[in-house]
Amino acid sequence: NAGVTQTPKFRVLKTGQSMTLLCAQDMNHEYMYWYRQDPGMGLRLIHYSVGEGTTAKGEVPDGYNVSRLKKQNFLLGLESAAPSQTSVYFCASSHLRGNQPQHFGDGTRLSIL
Amino acid sequence: ELKVEQNPLFLSMQEGKNYTIYCNYSTTSDRLYWYRQDPGKSLESLFVLLSNGAVKQEGRLMASLDTKARLSTLHITAAVHDLSATYFCAANAGGTSYGKLTFGQGTILTVHP
Repeated sequence: NAGVTQTPKFRVLKTGQSMTLLCAQDMNHEYMYWYRQDPGMGLRLIHYSVGEGTTAKGEVPDGYNVSRLKKQNFLLGLESAAPSQTSVYFCASSHLRGNQPQHFGDGTRLSIL
Repeated sequence: ELKVEQNPLFLSMQEGKNYTIYCNYSTTSDRLYWYRQDPGKSLESLFVLLSNGAVKQEGRLMASLDTKARLSTLHITAAVHDLSATYFCAANAGGTSYGKLTFGQGTILTVHP
């Protein structure tokens, strides 16, 4: 049981390049989330999804797009990377019932030069 | 807009001592989560608090929730080095915001011999 798996784990991009971060979960969770973590700011929600084919904006959505074509996968895209998007990105998933915590992946460390 | 504030942000403790981390949130929330994060690692769920007066304990950690005061506490008893980590609280606004967590800034705990 792998839980939440993120790929890649590390990536360095140049300003203006694009990339996609992949999140996969094998727990049959309905909800999936993308967060970014910056020093001293905790985690901030970028986008989330309450089910296959649905996505919604979180607290800091600008510069990012997401897709959830399959229940188990949630993709985060950067169309034109900027240095301000240098961060650690975490994917999480959870059941519909609120008495369970969100389960987090190991994170993707992304640097934009 | 839900805001979550933790204090202290940095905590240096001696082994064997007790201390409390405080988590205040600004608007009504129907559930409160505590997570632990080791350096360079993912977030590990510690507690989920679902109602006013809820208290949960695991080893040397005990968490409580006072929804009237909009306050949760994480109490550390007889600290040991293995508890050194960053601790986050997170709250959600419930209702249509279900699943959207707002995190505190994190408390970096260091336990010294």
